[in-house]
Amino acid sequence: EIVLTQSPGTLSLSPGERATLSCRASQSVSSSYLAWYQQKPGQAPRLLIYGASSRATGIPDRFSGVGSGTDFTLTISRLEPEDFAVYYCQQYGSSPPTFGQGTKLEIK
Amino acid sequence: QVQLVESGGGVVQPGGSLRLSCATSGFTFSTYGMHWVRQAPGKGLEWVAFIRYDGSIIYYTDSVKGRFTISRDNSKNTLYLQMNSLRAEDTAVYYCAKDGTSGNWAYYFDHWGQGTLVTVSS
Repeated sequence: EIVLTQSPGTLSLSPGERATLSCRASQSVSSSYLAWYQQKPGQAPRLLIYGASSRATGIPDRFSGVGSGTDFTLTISRLEPEDFAVYYCQQYGSSPPTFGQGTKLEIK
Repeated sequence: QVQLVESGGGVVQPGGSLRLSCATSGFTFSTYGMHWVRQAPGKGLEWVAFIRYDGSIIYYTDSVKGRFTISRDNSKNTLYLQMNSLRAEDTAVYYCAKDGTSGNWAYYFDHWGQGTLVTVSS
């Protein structure tokens, strides 16, 4: 199965700053089938990005995704207070679908 | 709007059984594949099982094969997960999740329920 490694484990930033989260796959992710989710404490995950770069319905355009092959990035252009959460990447190009271990984005 | 509401979680002894349900609304349930995804306390996410929109294709993660059974009732817009021979390592919040694509399946999850906690402990 494809192993996804997210970095950094924790990212400490201030509102208004730019956040860059990385997701690296142990082998190439077919057709850029890579998604990103946001999870806040006590809540279910929320889909942000699918197909590596397509924003899900209702997701603000400050969230963007890029990447292909084994390297993918989620960028939040200007952090809002509600963006501080845990972010997971997930590949669905091969079975079984797998998730990264998460990046915690915390307020500095 | 899309709603997914899980129920059926609780505390069960090792070796026991539980049946989870996920009642859905706000979309045409019979045209979407559905999944169960779990999250152990303080841990990350793990995909558990998938069922095609018509129930004709089913997949499981290796650790639950032969113990868990996913099913659906399209007349009731409801998804199920029958869990037998439960182990301590099955302790988690179980989420039902809607596949991102109708007809065929995409294996990303565009809507999630709030989750139901399953605790396996003696």
